[in-house]
Amino acid sequence: GAGVSQSPSNKVTEKGKDVELRCDPISGHTALYWYRQRLGQGLEFLIYFQGNSAPDKSGLPSDRFSAERTGESVSTLTIQRTQQEDSAVYLCASSGWAGDTQYFGPGTRLTVL
Amino acid sequence: RKEVEQDPGPFNVPEGATVAFNCTYSNSASQSFFWYRQDCRKEPKLLMSVYSSGNEDGRFTAQLNRASQYISLLIRDSKLSDSATYLCVVNTGNTGKLIFGQGTTLQVKP
Repeated sequence: GAGVSQSPSNKVTEKGKDVELRCDPISGHTALYWYRQRLGQGLEFLIYFQGNSAPDKSGLPSDRFSAERTGESVSTLTIQRTQQEDSAVYLCASSGWAGDTQYFGPGTRLTVL
Repeated sequence: RKEVEQDPGPFNVPEGATVAFNCTYSNSASQSFFWYRQDCRKEPKLLMSVYSSGNEDGRFTAQLNRASQYISLLIRDSKLSDSATYLCVVNTGNTGKLIFGQGTTLQVKP
């Protein structure tokens, strides 16, 4: 079946602009995760959604970052007033349930000029 | 101290060689452990889970030492296609939140 999809694949924006990144998880997966990967670095956890429970936002680096998920479907990650240090690949993953194998999308490469 | 530490390498080995990667984690409450593989400019993909008893999948063997908080991955008979970055990954709770190491880069040469 279809895997995790993300859009856009690439986004170039100017410092100070807002951006919205989208993730479509695998159908039926209740858990959804956002990670960030800076060039040459490992993945950093940002936020986690599980069903209708309150999300775990402990990895969000600042209040400029927010994310939403409607039910068990699409999620959007919003970065307001982007800064150059926000440049990274933003990866979304989903799993059947918390603790199950996570399947990653191809990521959105964000460049802030 | 990072929660998950790996030697970033790169490891440059000839085809057919055996190569081992190590990883240490700081949280003794960590519950599950994985190796992911990431090709250049691609998303990470699960290579294998790591169990206390050790587990093998073809040319790949993973070991976990909870007492030393140490995880290893052994690749036998290296292939050119094994060239990638190998990420050591730890789950510290029931949420599925994964903590990634920086990754170890492997380059297999003809």
